[in-house]
Amino acid sequence: EAGVAQSPRYKIIEKRQSVAFWCNPISGHATLYWYQQILGQGPKLLIQFQNNGVVDDSQLPKDRFSAERLKGVDSTLKIQPAKLEDSAVYLCASSRKDNEQFFGPGTRLTVL
Amino acid sequence: DAKTTQPTSMDCAEGRAANLPCNHSTISGNEYVYWYRQIHSQGPQYIIHGLKNNETNEMASLIITEDRKSSTLILPHATLRDTAVYYCIVSKAGGTSYGKLTFGQGTILTVHP
Repeated sequence: EAGVAQSPRYKIIEKRQSVAFWCNPISGHATLYWYQQILGQGPKLLIQFQNNGVVDDSQLPKDRFSAERLKGVDSTLKIQPAKLEDSAVYLCASSRKDNEQFFGPGTRLTVL
Repeated sequence: DAKTTQPTSMDCAEGRAANLPCNHSTISGNEYVYWYRQIHSQGPQYIIHGLKNNETNEMASLIITEDRKSSTLILPHATLRDTAVYYCIVSKAGGTSYGKLTFGQGTILTVHP
Protein backbone atom coordinates (compact mmCIF):
# COMPACT_ATOMS: atom_id res chain seq x y z
CA GLU A 1 0.00 0.00 0.00
CA ALA A 2 1.12 3.56 -0.63
CA GLY A 3 2.63 5.35 2.35
CA VAL A 4 1.86 8.73 3.87
CA ALA A 5 2.61 11.49 1.37
CA GLN A 6 3.80 14.94 2.35
CA SER A 7 4.68 18.04 0.39
CA PRO A 8 6.76 20.01 0.02
CA ARG A 9 9.81 18.14 1.29
CA TYR A 10 11.74 21.33 1.95
CA LYS A 11 10.71 24.95 2.48
CA ILE A 12 12.75 28.05 3.26
CA ILE A 13 10.94 31.23 4.27
CA GLU A 14 11.68 34.45 6.07
CA LYS A 15 10.27 35.18 9.51
CA ARG A 16 6.79 36.66 9.53
CA GLN A 17 5.93 34.91 6.26
CA SER A 18 3.25 32.25 5.97
CA VAL A 19 3.70 28.61 5.00
CA ALA A 20 1.46 25.59 4.48
CA PHE A 21 2.19 21.88 4.49
CA TRP A 22 0.06 19.15 2.95
CA CYS A 23 -0.45 15.55 4.00
CA ASN A 24 -2.23 12.64 2.32
CA PRO A 25 -2.62 9.72 4.75
CA ILE A 26 -2.77 6.04 3.95
CA SER A 27 -6.13 5.12 2.44
CA GLY A 28 -8.62 4.01 5.07
CA HIS A 29 -6.74 5.49 8.03
CA ALA A 30 -9.20 7.50 10.11
CA THR A 31 -6.66 9.05 12.46
CA LEU A 32 -4.17 11.67 11.30
CA TYR A 33 -1.43 13.36 13.31
CA TRP A 34 0.89 16.32 12.84
CA TYR A 35 4.19 16.36 14.73
CA GLN A 36 6.94 18.94 15.04
CA GLN A 37 10.51 17.67 15.36
CA ILE A 38 13.17 20.17 16.32
CA LEU A 39 16.75 19.14 15.56
CA GLY A 40 18.10 16.77 18.20
CA GLN A 41 14.72 16.13 19.82
CA GLY A 42 11.98 13.54 19.46
CA PRO A 43 8.80 14.41 17.56
CA LYS A 44 6.19 16.42 19.48
CA LEU A 45 2.49 15.96 18.74
CA LEU A 46 0.84 19.17 17.54
CA ILE A 47 -2.63 17.96 16.61
CA GLN A 48 -4.57 14.72 16.19
CA PHE A 49 -7.64 14.26 13.98
CA GLN A 50 -10.15 11.43 14.09
CA ASN A 51 -11.80 11.58 10.67
CA ASN A 52 -12.34 15.34 10.27
CA GLY A 53 -12.72 16.11 13.99
CA VAL A 54 -9.95 17.32 16.31
CA VAL A 55 -9.15 14.87 19.14
CA ASP A 56 -6.16 16.67 20.67
CA ASP A 57 -4.66 20.06 19.84
CA SER A 58 -3.36 20.87 23.31
CA GLN A 59 0.21 21.49 22.10
CA LEU A 60 -0.69 23.45 18.98
CA PRO A 61 0.35 27.14 19.25
CA LYS A 62 -3.04 28.38 18.14
CA ASP A 63 -1.99 32.00 17.81
CA ARG A 64 0.04 31.11 14.74
CA PHE A 65 -0.60 27.48 13.81
CA SER A 66 -3.77 26.09 12.29
CA ALA A 67 -4.70 22.76 10.78
CA GLU A 68 -7.67 21.32 9.00
CA ARG A 69 -8.73 17.99 7.63
CA LEU A 70 -11.61 18.57 5.28
CA LYS A 71 -13.61 15.50 4.21
CA GLY A 72 -11.62 13.40 6.67
CA VAL A 73 -8.81 12.57 4.25
CA ASP A 74 -6.09 15.09 3.32
CA SER A 75 -4.85 17.63 5.84
CA THR A 76 -3.03 20.95 5.77
CA LEU A 77 -0.97 22.57 8.51
CA LYS A 78 -0.40 26.32 8.30
CA ILE A 79 1.93 28.67 10.14
CA GLN A 80 1.15 32.39 10.01
CA PRO A 81 3.33 34.29 10.77
CA ALA A 82 6.41 32.10 11.09
CA LYS A 83 9.06 32.64 13.76
CA LEU A 84 12.69 31.55 13.81
CA GLU A 85 11.89 28.90 16.43
CA ASP A 86 9.46 27.22 14.02
CA SER A 87 12.42 25.82 12.08
CA ALA A 88 11.89 22.08 12.33
CA VAL A 89 10.75 18.98 10.47
CA TYR A 90 6.97 18.68 10.32
CA LEU A 91 5.85 15.06 10.25
CA CYS A 92 2.45 13.73 9.32
CA ALA A 93 1.33 10.27 10.44
CA SER A 94 -1.81 8.19 10.12
CA SER A 95 -3.16 5.11 11.83
CA ARG A 96 -6.02 2.66 11.59
CA LYS A 97 -5.72 0.72 14.79
CA ASP A 98 -3.88 0.56 18.09
CA ASN A 99 -0.90 2.88 18.17
CA GLU A 100 0.80 1.67 15.02
CA GLN A 101 1.32 4.99 13.35
CA PHE A 102 2.73 5.30 9.84
CA PHE A 103 4.83 8.39 9.28
CA GLY A 104 5.51 10.35 6.15
CA PRO A 105 8.98 11.61 5.17
CA GLY A 106 8.37 15.04 6.69
CA THR A 107 8.74 18.63 5.53
CA ARG A 108 11.92 20.39 6.60
CA LEU A 109 11.14 24.06 7.32
CA THR A 110 13.87 26.67 7.66
CA VAL A 111 12.86 30.12 8.87
CA LEU A 112 15.46 32.83 8.21
CA ASP B 1 1.35 8.78 30.14
CA ALA B 2 4.26 7.28 32.04
CA LYS B 3 7.77 8.53 31.32
CA THR B 4 10.56 6.35 30.01
CA THR B 5 14.32 6.37 30.53
CA GLN B 6 16.72 5.12 27.87
CA PRO B 7 20.50 5.27 27.46
CA THR B 8 21.60 8.11 25.22
CA SER B 9 23.64 5.92 22.90
CA MET B 10 24.72 2.32 22.30
CA ASP B 11 27.04 0.52 19.93
CA CYS B 12 26.66 -2.91 18.39
CA ALA B 13 28.74 -5.04 16.02
CA GLU B 14 27.13 -6.07 12.77
CA GLY B 15 25.63 -9.55 12.97
CA ARG B 16 25.38 -9.49 16.76
CA ALA B 17 22.23 -9.01 18.79
CA ALA B 18 21.40 -5.46 19.84
CA ASN B 19 19.69 -5.23 23.23
CA LEU B 20 18.13 -1.83 23.93
CA PRO B 21 16.88 -1.27 27.50
CA CYS B 22 14.08 0.99 28.65
CA ASN B 23 12.89 1.85 32.15
CA HIS B 24 9.24 2.77 32.73
CA SER B 25 8.83 2.37 36.47
CA THR B 26 5.60 4.42 36.67
CA ILE B 27 3.76 2.47 33.98
CA SER B 28 0.11 1.84 34.79
CA GLY B 29 -1.88 -1.31 34.14
CA ASN B 30 -3.53 -0.16 30.93
CA GLU B 31 -0.42 1.29 29.29
CA TYR B 32 1.40 -0.45 26.47
CA VAL B 33 5.11 -0.34 25.70
CA TYR B 34 5.82 0.77 22.12
CA TRP B 35 9.06 0.90 20.20
CA TYR B 36 9.66 3.07 17.17
CA ARG B 37 12.87 3.89 15.37
CA GLN B 38 13.94 6.79 13.20
CA ILE B 39 16.59 6.39 10.57
CA HIS B 40 18.38 9.59 9.61
CA SER B 41 16.23 11.97 7.51
CA GLN B 42 13.20 9.67 7.62
CA GLY B 43 9.99 9.63 9.63
CA PRO B 44 9.73 7.28 12.63
CA GLN B 45 8.91 3.64 11.92
CA TYR B 46 6.83 1.36 14.13
CA ILE B 47 8.72 -1.71 15.38
CA ILE B 48 6.68 -3.54 17.99
CA HIS B 49 4.47 -3.11 21.04
CA GLY B 50 3.30 -5.16 24.00
CA LEU B 51 1.30 -5.04 27.22
CA LYS B 52 2.80 -7.68 29.52
CA ASN B 53 3.68 -10.71 27.43
CA ASN B 54 6.84 -10.95 25.40
CA GLU B 55 6.27 -10.22 21.72
CA THR B 56 8.14 -11.11 18.55
CA ASN B 57 7.70 -10.07 14.95
CA GLU B 58 9.82 -10.07 11.83
CA MET B 59 11.79 -7.04 12.98
CA ALA B 60 12.45 -7.57 16.67
CA SER B 61 11.55 -9.11 20.01
CA LEU B 62 10.19 -7.24 23.01
CA ILE B 63 10.89 -8.57 26.49
CA ILE B 64 8.85 -6.99 29.30
CA THR B 65 9.76 -7.74 32.91
CA GLU B 66 7.14 -9.36 35.10
CA ASP B 67 6.61 -6.17 37.12
CA ARG B 68 6.42 -4.24 33.80
CA LYS B 69 8.82 -1.59 35.09
CA SER B 70 11.33 -2.17 32.33
CA SER B 71 11.65 -3.73 28.92
CA THR B 72 14.26 -4.66 26.34
CA LEU B 73 14.05 -4.44 22.58
CA ILE B 74 16.14 -7.10 20.87
CA LEU B 75 17.32 -6.90 17.28
CA PRO B 76 18.61 -10.47 16.84
CA HIS B 77 21.12 -9.89 14.04
CA ALA B 78 21.88 -6.19 13.71
CA THR B 79 22.84 -4.80 10.30
CA LEU B 80 24.25 -1.44 9.29
CA ARG B 81 20.72 -0.45 8.21
CA ASP B 82 19.59 -0.74 11.84
CA THR B 83 21.63 2.33 12.77
CA ALA B 84 18.93 4.73 14.00
CA VAL B 85 17.40 6.47 17.01
CA TYR B 86 15.20 4.02 18.93
CA TYR B 87 12.30 5.39 20.95
CA CYS B 88 10.63 3.53 23.82
CA ILE B 89 7.16 4.97 24.45
CA VAL B 90 4.51 4.14 27.00
CA SER B 91 0.98 4.87 25.84
CA LYS B 92 -2.61 4.12 26.69
CA ALA B 93 -4.93 2.67 24.08
CA GLY B 94 -8.58 3.67 24.12
CA GLY B 95 -10.45 6.78 25.21
CA THR B 96 -9.14 10.23 24.47
CA SER B 97 -5.56 9.04 24.80
CA TYR B 98 -5.99 6.71 21.90
CA GLY B 99 -3.07 6.95 19.52
CA LYS B 100 -1.09 9.54 21.46
CA LEU B 101 2.67 8.97 21.41
CA THR B 102 5.03 11.05 23.54
CA PHE B 103 8.54 10.73 22.16
CA GLY B 104 11.57 11.23 24.42
CA GLN B 105 15.19 11.58 23.34
CA GLY B 106 15.57 7.92 22.45
CA THR B 107 18.72 5.80 22.15
CA ILE B 108 21.09 6.36 19.26
CA LEU B 109 22.11 2.87 18.14
CA THR B 110 25.20 2.69 15.96
CA VAL B 111 25.93 -0.63 14.27
CA HIS B 112 29.59 -1.05 13.34
CA PRO B 113 30.99 -3.27 10.56
